[in-house]
Amino acid sequence: DAMVIQNPRYQVTQFGKPVTLSCSQTLNHNVMYWYQQKSSQAPKLLFHYYDKDFNNEADTPDNFQSRRPNTSFCFLDIRSPGLGDAAMYLCATSRDLQSSYNEQFFGPGTRLTVL
Amino acid sequence: AQRVTQPEKLLSVFKGAPVELKCNYSYSGSPELFWYVQYSRQRLQLLLRHISRESIKGFTADLNKGETSFHLKKPFAQEEDSAMYYCALHTNAGKSTFGDGTTLTVKP
Repeated sequence: DAMVIQNPRYQVTQFGKPVTLSCSQTLNHNVMYWYQQKSSQAPKLLFHYYDKDFNNEADTPDNFQSRRPNTSFCFLDIRSPGLGDAAMYLCATSRDLQSSYNEQFFGPGTRLTVL
Repeated sequence: AQRVTQPEKLLSVFKGAPVELKCNYSYSGSPELFWYVQYSRQRLQLLLRHISRESIKGFTADLNKGETSFHLKKPFAQEEDSAMYYCALHTNAGKSTFGDGTTLTVKP
């Protein structure tokens, strides 16, 4: 089945130690998104890629970076994780940004713990 | 700035009762509203979108621009409807805003 895959499902890192979360998709979608979701809160968009174009949300901390080396893969890099970065990180894709194509397909998420 | 508000964190109804999950939004442009659902131990998935104007699993939602609302309704709730429901606004610039979600519990 075509889908959105996130690895690992659970990630534990130490305070200040860089960590990378991975997302891949077999849907061949143009757009890939990264969300941060803290307990009992809404998923919060960090950034998205439209093809190779990176679009950062204005309030996304500089500590969060992303890479999209090809259509299928997108990575979230947290350069110096703090305790406040512990959260569920969701990857999503959409075929395009335009109406009728902007339904988002989500991965299962990676739960990040910062010790 | 765009905003999505779901005023109820928790909603509990009995099987067979009508259910309405509220969603209000603020957005200066032409909004595209969605309802996503997350069943227990499953990933977030689309339930319905306002432009399709269809009924999915018995749920409907009408966009009311005058009241800036997109409430989700079902006339007869089923136990399998128990889940977390998120209202979301997507723009063609790629900006997405989700509400905090409503946990619906349908009791037997």
